[in-house]
Amino acid sequence: EAEVAQSPRYKITEKSQAVAFWCDPISGHATLYWYRQILGQGPELLVQFQDESVVDDSQLPKDRFSAERLKGVDSTLKIQPAELGDSAMYLCASSFGLAGASYTDTQYFGPGTRLTVL
Amino acid sequence: AQSVTQLGSHVSVSEGALVLLRCNYSSSVPPYLFWYVQYPNQGLQLLLKYTSAATLVKGINGFEAEFKKSETSFHLTKPSAHMSDAAEYFCAVSLASGGSYIPTFGRGTSLIVHP
Repeated sequence: EAEVAQSPRYKITEKSQAVAFWCDPISGHATLYWYRQILGQGPELLVQFQDESVVDDSQLPKDRFSAERLKGVDSTLKIQPAELGDSAMYLCASSFGLAGASYTDTQYFGPGTRLTVL
Repeated sequence: AQSVTQLGSHVSVSEGALVLLRCNYSSSVPPYLFWYVQYPNQGLQLLLKYTSAATLVKGINGFEAEFKKSETSFHLTKPSAHMSDAAEYFCAVSLASGGSYIPTFGRGTSLIVHP
C-alpha cells in the first residue's frame, strides 16, 4: 500500500539554527498539507498545496517558516531560525482530490518528524 | 467559524467495555466531520467521515459515529474495546475558506484500555 514518506523522523537542533523537513506524498495526490502538532494538542494546518501552488498558508509564521512544492510532487518545509516554541511533531498529509473539492477527501498522513529545539 | 470540541482529554475503559468518545461541533452550515486515530509516534489514520449521506457512519476497526444535528454532536463509539484500541483520537471538521477546505482538529482524546 502506498504511503506518505517523511524524513527525518527525528531532529534535534539548537535555537537559531535552520532545519528542513521533507515529504513525499502518495503518487498522484494533488493536494499536500503540512501540519504542526504540539504535544497534547491536535494538528494545526500550516500550509496547503494544490500541485505546486499554495492554496492556504494563513497559519504559517512567514517570518521564519517557508514551504515549497516546486514540481508539484514532493515538498520541503523549512524553519529559519528555529525557536524553542517550534518543538513539535510536523506532519505531512496528502489527498487525491483538488483543494477546492477536497472537503470529503481522505487525507493520508506520514509518520511525522519530531523536532526538538534546545 | 466552525470548530470541534472533544470532551475529556482521557477516557479509560476495561477491555470488552463500550467505548464512547465525545465530539461536539459548532457550525452555521452543515459540517463535514471526521474521526482520526493516532498511535504513538505515528501519523493520523482516518477512522470514518460524515458527508451527509447517512447519519450513522461505520468506520474501520469496528468504530462508528452518529451525526446528531439537534445536539451538534458526532460521538464515536465501539461496542467492545480491545487493547489495540489504545491510542489518541481526534475529531475534525472541514472549514470552507477561500475556495478550499481547511481541516480543523480537536485537541484529542486519549483512550486507555486496561485488562
